[in-house]
Amino acid sequence: AQTVTQSQPEMSVQEAETVTLSCTYDTSESDYYLFWYKQPPSRQMILVIRQEAYKQQNATENRFSVNFQKAAKSFSLKISDSQLGDAAMYFCAYGGGGADGLTFGKGTHLIIQP
Amino acid sequence: DTGVSQDPRHKITKRGQNVTFRCDPISEHNRLYWYRQTLGQGPEFLTYFQNEAQLEKSRLLSDRFSAERPKGSFSTLEIQRTEQGDSAMYLCASSLGVAPHTQYFGPGTRLTVL
Repeated sequence: AQTVTQSQPEMSVQEAETVTLSCTYDTSESDYYLFWYKQPPSRQMILVIRQEAYKQQNATENRFSVNFQKAAKSFSLKISDSQLGDAAMYFCAYGGGGADGLTFGKGTHLIIQP
Repeated sequence: DTGVSQDPRHKITKRGQNVTFRCDPISEHNRLYWYRQTLGQGPEFLTYFQNEAQLEKSRLLSDRFSAERPKGSFSTLEIQRTEQGDSAMYLCASSLGVAPHTQYFGPGTRLTVL
């Protein structure tokens, strides 16, 4: 079974600074997808960024980018120029090549200090 | 923009009662997923549908849980003889195409069993 580990329960960053959230996963599959979702307090989960395992190029979405290290099974999220609206729980998720649901980590609570 | 909607948003019930939740996916999405999220944890996969067919059920889905998607549109999740351990946020997500395409989440139904 696949597992996703987020080793940082909480991270704090100053507004406008850069922060990196860590995620590692375990799988025996070669074809899979990785996701970062954001869940603001009392609000629904939204997709931040996704990465296909077969792509060597790291995904980027505006201020959000990932460092995907397939051999190390690592998938970290970098948030540049942090904004107050970035404060939320961030979940790393794994989606296998089959049709099952996503496997999520326990999340990292990101605090933005003004 | 009609995203994923869930009803009700909150449900308080007494132990032993039955409850039913509804999820309306994004209209053209053929896949619909149910997850459960407890406090401080990431979502855990329960089951998913492709059109009206239920294709996968997690071991978390005990016999007291049943889900349907009668015409491949909305879905219902019923919990019979609720227990205090069923208290959680129940999330619905939908996606288009073959997995694992990006899943779009609803706001969730928060269940409290007294």
